[in-house]
Amino acid sequence: DSGVTQTPKHLITATGQRVTLRCSPRSGDLSVYWYQQSLDQGLQFLIQYYNGEERAKGNILERFSAQQFPDLHSELNLSSLELGDSALYFCASSPDSLGAYGYTFGSGTRLTVV
Amino acid sequence: AQSVAQPEDQVNVAEGNPLTVKCTYSVSGNPYLFWYVQYPNRGLQFLLKYITGDNLVKGSYGFEAEFNKSQTSFHLKKPSALVSDSALYFCAVVTGRRALTFGSGTRLQVQP
Repeated sequence: DSGVTQTPKHLITATGQRVTLRCSPRSGDLSVYWYQQSLDQGLQFLIQYYNGEERAKGNILERFSAQQFPDLHSELNLSSLELGDSALYFCASSPDSLGAYGYTFGSGTRLTVV
Repeated sequence: AQSVAQPEDQVNVAEGNPLTVKCTYSVSGNPYLFWYVQYPNRGLQFLLKYITGDNLVKGSYGFEAEFNKSQTSFHLKKPSALVSDSALYFCAVVTGRRALTFGSGTRLQVQP
């Protein structure tokens, strides 16, 4: 157990729907990062939050949004889902904003859009 | 911008032989470099990191990596491979106010 908790582990939904992925960071970590892992594009950085504020943005689609709550857990919202959104979504956390200590990853949420 | 290249999609090695997984990076500024390993249906696990100091970094499970600034490389090595080392390995870099950028991954297959 890495200490980063992601729920749900698996999600199957239809095109056009909206889903929410949840992440609880490791105790004491202030940064949360979201990554998408697909077969053809590897690990793509989506977005980072640090202590409740958006810190960095990557290749996140406009249909996707995220937030970090006062208790530091984070949610990634995916809407108007398309078949191509099927992927493994990872959350990671780190104690600092720069990631100098490395990240701790959760076990991921596998999203299947049918 | 920052980027990482892992030129080999797959590396095959016999158990007991030394292994090398290659990584080169491109950044402006001083990089923080990392290696992660991913087993099937699992998240990424931290192996080792280079921040500053000694160019040879030792990490988990007997792995080590050598930072070479002139060649902008950070190759992962292990003196004697185990079948259980078979997994997907990712090199990653971060510098400045950015998140980790990962390479495309290298699948390591260790044959008995």
